[in-house]
Amino acid sequence: DTGVSQDPRHKITKRGQNVTFRCDPISEHNRLYWYRQTLGQGPEFLTYFQNEAQLEKSRLLSDRFSAERPKGSFSTLEIQRTEQGDSAMYLCASSLSQVNALYNEQFFGPGTRLTVL
Amino acid sequence: AQSVAQPEDQVNVAEGNPLTVKCTYSVSGNPYLFWYVQYPNRGLQFLLKYITGDNLVKGSYGFEAEFNKSQTSFHLKKPSALVSDSALYFCAVRAFSGGYNKLIFGAGTRLAVHP
Repeated sequence: DTGVSQDPRHKITKRGQNVTFRCDPISEHNRLYWYRQTLGQGPEFLTYFQNEAQLEKSRLLSDRFSAERPKGSFSTLEIQRTEQGDSAMYLCASSLSQVNALYNEQFFGPGTRLTVL
Repeated sequence: AQSVAQPEDQVNVAEGNPLTVKCTYSVSGNPYLFWYVQYPNRGLQFLLKYITGDNLVKGSYGFEAEFNKSQTSFHLKKPSALVSDSALYFCAVRAFSGGYNKLIFGAGTRLAVHP
């Protein structure tokens, strides 16, 4: 399977604990995105990487959230001191930037469902 | 600011009947519009997009969507629904800044196709 993969698929944690999620994009894709989807809502943009550089962070991403993409390949999203409001599906997407392309399609992974007790 | 509205939480349709899932948008500039589908415990799957050209866009699994600039709508349609089409459908619009795209999604519409 050469699509976007995410690990773990499900995570249950207690409030106050730290959690880390991993995303492996499609191998040649240089752009990587994180979105968060809460119950009954559409996905909301969290952050974006071009290669290893984090170029935008949404205001949804509080100081407890940090994302990295150290070698421009896989990415991690860490949440420190989790709160019940962090319970959501965390989706990763990747795309390949192409010169002169009108739009570079984003391909989504299966998501990591986080439940904070 | 860009936004998307999906006015129906759920759409019910009988198998074999045509289906429509509604979407309206608000953007500055030319809209780039998308439909995605989400099955349980799966990520989003791309169905189709409108960027430019013909207002009727054909996509995966027999779906199509009609771009209507005057009504700022991009409704998803299928001539004959299948039970397997039952899923959550999201309309999205591109927000472009800083040389890259991010997607702004609607809240989603649950499609239920009954045998």
